Amino acid sequence: DAKTTQPNSMESNEEEPVHLPCNHSTISGTDYIHWYRQLPSQGPEYVIHGLTSNVNNRMASLAIAEDRKSSTLILHRATLRDAAVYYCILNTGNQFYFGTGTSLTVIP
Amino acid sequence: DAGVIQSPRHEVTEMGQEVTLRCKPISGHDYLFWYRQTMMRGLELLIYFNNNVPIDDSGMPEDRFSAKMPNASFSTLKIQPSEPRDSAVYFCASSLWGGATEQFFGPGTRLTVL
Repeated sequence: DAKTTQPNSMESNEEEPVHLPCNHSTISGTDYIHWYRQLPSQGPEYVIHGLTSNVNNRMASLAIAEDRKSSTLILHRATLRDAAVYYCILNTGNQFYFGTGTSLTVIP
Repeated sequence: DAGVIQSPRHEVTEMGQEVTLRCKPISGHDYLFWYRQTMMRGLELLIYFNNNVPIDDSGMPEDRFSAKMPNASFSTLKIQPSEPRDSAVYFCASSLWGGATEQFFGPGTRLTVL
């Protein structure tokens, strides 16, 4: 029972913005939306998270739809180091439900 | 802090052998999580601990898997006996608190069961 749905792969040109979409139509009112990324041969690392309002940090921005059934991770200027698998995750209580992720390729 | 430390980084064993994976969480973190990652099933939560106590082990696939946390700085995940379908990358993660708190992942242990 998939809790989040993401495209399998996306491409972006270097130094261009990237918008990574995620659908989570079964989200409940207390579920947080997290984004983690996983570089090759490494463990996942935190990118950003939010509940209802849009969020910004030094790595990215998170845009959450008003009905909270979808969200978008925005990388403002993609670099080659941003090539990774990006996971959109619903956080229920203490549990993180990882989706299948989007593999981002950055083209120089 | 060195981050979450896992050992060994790679483990190759034969079917039927006992395998023990080890994890040292970040000092001061109250929560510890064990995940398994495979191509077929992605990243799955196996079990998590709060203050060394197992809270939810519903993700443990079967009785061959067991996990312990004897103290705040050490946890083990044991598979006995191991089977080829257990081949995966096993990650340990820790967090300061539960809920929406950031989880810090270790580098993982790649297990191959022949």
